[in-house]
Amino acid sequence: DQQVKQNSPSLSVQEGRISILNCDYTNSMFDYFLWYKKYPAEGPTFLISISSIKDKNEDGRFTVFLNKSAKHLSLHIVPSQPGDSAVYFCAASDGNKLVFGAGTILRVKS
Amino acid sequence: DTAVSQTPKYLVTQMGNDKSIKCEQNLGHDTMYWYKQDSKKFLKIMFSYNNKELIINETVPNRFSPKSPDKAHLNLHINSLELGDSAVYFCASSSPRTYEQYFGPGTRLTVT
Repeated sequence: DQQVKQNSPSLSVQEGRISILNCDYTNSMFDYFLWYKKYPAEGPTFLISISSIKDKNEDGRFTVFLNKSAKHLSLHIVPSQPGDSAVYFCAASDGNKLVFGAGTILRVKS
Repeated sequence: DTAVSQTPKYLVTQMGNDKSIKCEQNLGHDTMYWYKQDSKKFLKIMFSYNNKELIINETVPNRFSPKSPDKAHLNLHINSLELGDSAVYFCASSSPRTYEQYFGPGTRLTVT
């Protein structure tokens, strides 16, 4: 029972262009959403988050959008850089624990 | 300055053995977690401790026993290892009233 889904296993983007990573969830009780970035052989690192009472949060090149009615969130990275190449995990909190998606591998080509 | 550290980074052992993974955080956080990342790459929570008390136990076999000697440490002991225990195990920590969790580098456990 996957409550958080990242349906694109991978994404390839040219350097300088926009990367858009998507995430869908099923549990209406989720009240906070996070994106994590993971390099090989390292632990996930927190990137950006958004509360369920907001629809957008921006931090530098990273913006997260939340559409509660569609139970969908997305992470926009612009401009994309080769150093952004990593696995990106979407996570949702029910106030008690985080539930993670399976991740999307982002490759930024120079 | 490592925030969340785990030892060992790699662990190869045979079925039936007992092993432990250690985790330490120097962030002053009250809550610590163990996650398992299986072959399908899902990160699933196993346990959560707050100030040395167990608060989450996500239907994990009894062979797995977490121990928190103090709020900066959360160790994971696994008895009678099975092939299906092979995975990457991540420790994490967080502070009260925040959702962000900070992860360690992971321990890759291989059971042969």
